[in-house]
Amino acid sequence: NAGVTQTPKFRVLKTGQSMTLLCAQDMNHEYMYWYRQDPGMGLRLIHYSVGEGTTAKGEVPDGYNVSRLKKQNFLLGLESAAPSQTSVYFCASILGGQAFFGQGTRLTVV
Amino acid sequence: AQSVTQLGSHVSVSEGALVLLRCNYSSSVPPYLFWYVQYPNQGLQLLLKYTSAATLVKGINGFEAEFKKSETSFHLTKPSAHMRDAAEYFCAVSVPYHNTDKLIFGTGTRLQVFP
Repeated sequence: NAGVTQTPKFRVLKTGQSMTLLCAQDMNHEYMYWYRQDPGMGLRLIHYSVGEGTTAKGEVPDGYNVSRLKKQNFLLGLESAAPSQTSVYFCASILGGQAFFGQGTRLTVV
Repeated sequence: AQSVTQLGSHVSVSEGALVLLRCNYSSSVPPYLFWYVQYPNQGLQLLLKYTSAATLVKGINGFEAEFKKSETSFHLTKPSAHMRDAAEYFCAVSVPYHNTDKLIFGTGTRLQVFP
């Protein structure tokens, strides 16, 4: 039982490049979230999805896009990376208010 | 608006000493409250949760937390710290958010355990 899997685990981007982070869950959860974690700021919600084909903005959505074409996958895209997007990104699926987290993606934008 | 405040970004204790990590919440509705732990270079794992049943909640690794409505607190404790408890701990509150539940996290408390 893999739970929540994120790929890649590490990535370095140049300013202006694009990339997609993949989150996959095998627990059949409806709700999936993308967070970013920065020192001293805890976790901040970027975007979330309440089911296949639905997405919505969280607290810090600017510069990111998401898609939920299949229930088990939630993609986070950066169209034009900026140094301010250097962070650790966590995906989570949620059931009954409890979050199940992936291992994180450490992204550095230079 | 709902929020969570963790008092103290860093807490240091000696091995065998009491661990107390503080969390206060603000919520206009009865909250669900959680403590998560994050070990270095890993994702967050659930330690324990309060979902309006017993006010004293026991979690994994000997941790427990008590929900005190009058104090709007949900402090995390462990009677005797182990070296392996060194990690970052996050308090979180789950509240209705549009058509889903939203987890709001505190800014975290890093626990150091000295031999």
